[in-house]
Amino acid sequence: DAGVIQSPRHEVTEMGQEVTLRCKPISGHNSLFWYRQTMMRGLELLIYFNNNVPIDDSGMPEDRFSAKMPNASFSTLKIQPSEPRDSAVYFCASSPGGPNEQFFGPGTRLTVL
Amino acid sequence: QKEVEQNSGPLSVPEGAIASLNCTYSDRGSQSFFWYRQYSGKSPELIMFIYSNGDKEDGRFTAQLNKASQYVSLLIRDSQPSDSATYLCAVRAGDKLIFGTGTRLQVFP
Repeated sequence: DAGVIQSPRHEVTEMGQEVTLRCKPISGHNSLFWYRQTMMRGLELLIYFNNNVPIDDSGMPEDRFSAKMPNASFSTLKIQPSEPRDSAVYFCASSPGGPNEQFFGPGTRLTVL
Repeated sequence: QKEVEQNSGPLSVPEGAIASLNCTYSDRGSQSFFWYRQYSGKSPELIMFIYSNGDKEDGRFTAQLNKASQYVSLLIRDSQPSDSATYLCAVRAGDKLIFGTGTRLQVFP
């Protein structure tokens, strides 16, 4: 049974470039969460979707960040333009419904030079 | 004050001992609490949740909740080197979880 799938696993880019991170949630899960993890700030929720609809994007740091969920099996997190301070591990998680039983993907390690 | 606070550690315990991990939270109205384990370079995985005051046991793990004092703890009995990881405490706030920064546990042989 496949878990949450994220791609790419590693991304190295230069400042100013557009970065797109992808996530495929577990089939049948209705909630999807995007997190960012750094040593300094820990695990922070960026945005979450319920039934493909964005519910709370208050954690998105600024307008350079955007997220979409066009269907139940795919979501993207885009950073445009990227900056060195965006370097972090980005996790996607899904749950059957609500925040209680989240399953995390392997993460994307983003490095912005 | 951070919403969820944990000592960053590392907490070092010998193999076979009891490891005690603690977490405090600021929202007195919080009702649901979670412990995630994260191995180095891996993603968090849920190991325990607790909703009611008192203890909840699952194998070698026991979660303890004291809502009056606003703390939740995780006890790991008979600690093994394979338990060495960072343990994240999370508190439900509405439709999302607020995570602490985690406590790193080291179990030495």
